[in-house]
Amino acid sequence: DGGITQSPKYLFRKEGQNVTLSCEQNLNHDAMYWYRQDPGQGLRLIYYSQIVNDFQKGDIAEGYSVSREKKESFPLTVTSAQKNPTAFYLCATRSETTGHYGYTFGSGTRLTVV
Amino acid sequence: GIQVEQSPPDLILQEGANSTLRCNFSDSVNNLQWFHQNPWGQLINLFYIPSGTKQNGRLSATTVATERYSLLYISSSQTTDSGVYFCAVGRLLRDDMRFGAGTRLTVKP
Repeated sequence: DGGITQSPKYLFRKEGQNVTLSCEQNLNHDAMYWYRQDPGQGLRLIYYSQIVNDFQKGDIAEGYSVSREKKESFPLTVTSAQKNPTAFYLCATRSETTGHYGYTFGSGTRLTVV
Repeated sequence: GIQVEQSPPDLILQEGANSTLRCNFSDSVNNLQWFHQNPWGQLINLFYIPSGTKQNGRLSATTVATERYSLLYISSSQTTDSGVYFCAVGRLLRDDMRFGAGTRLTVKP
């Protein structure tokens, strides 16, 4: 089945730790995105990548880092510099089918600082 | 950047009722998508609709791009329609999308 796999579903981080969230897709889409969702809020863009080996900061990139070494993978690292990392993290890809440039989302990772 | 406003923020319905959700945006767009976020957090694509009207079963959507708004209609609502509905827009085809704050729908049996 074509889709986006995010792992893990739940992640607990201690203060001062870096953690990496995985996002893998087999949709053959070039563009991939990371969004953050806080309780009761909309989605805010962290980072995005239009093509392999290239990525751009979104609105709230501070304290996060990404890489895009393969088309299928776009991991997000939440560093110790991110002061309030507890949130729901969503990965998306964008279609390039003519007439349809919409997003498909993974099922998300819930990160909690303990 | 482009601003997206959704209304109402909260909506409570009895099962079987109809509803209209609205999305206003501050600039011209070439991408617009409606999503339903289920209780487990999964965002499900409902419509990709930068202009015109589409229907899928009990749901339909209309975007009037020249007037900068989109409407999502839910007819004969069911309890499984509960959740948060998001509108997302992008100015250019390959732009990242900006999300509204969502409309939280609760359908009571």
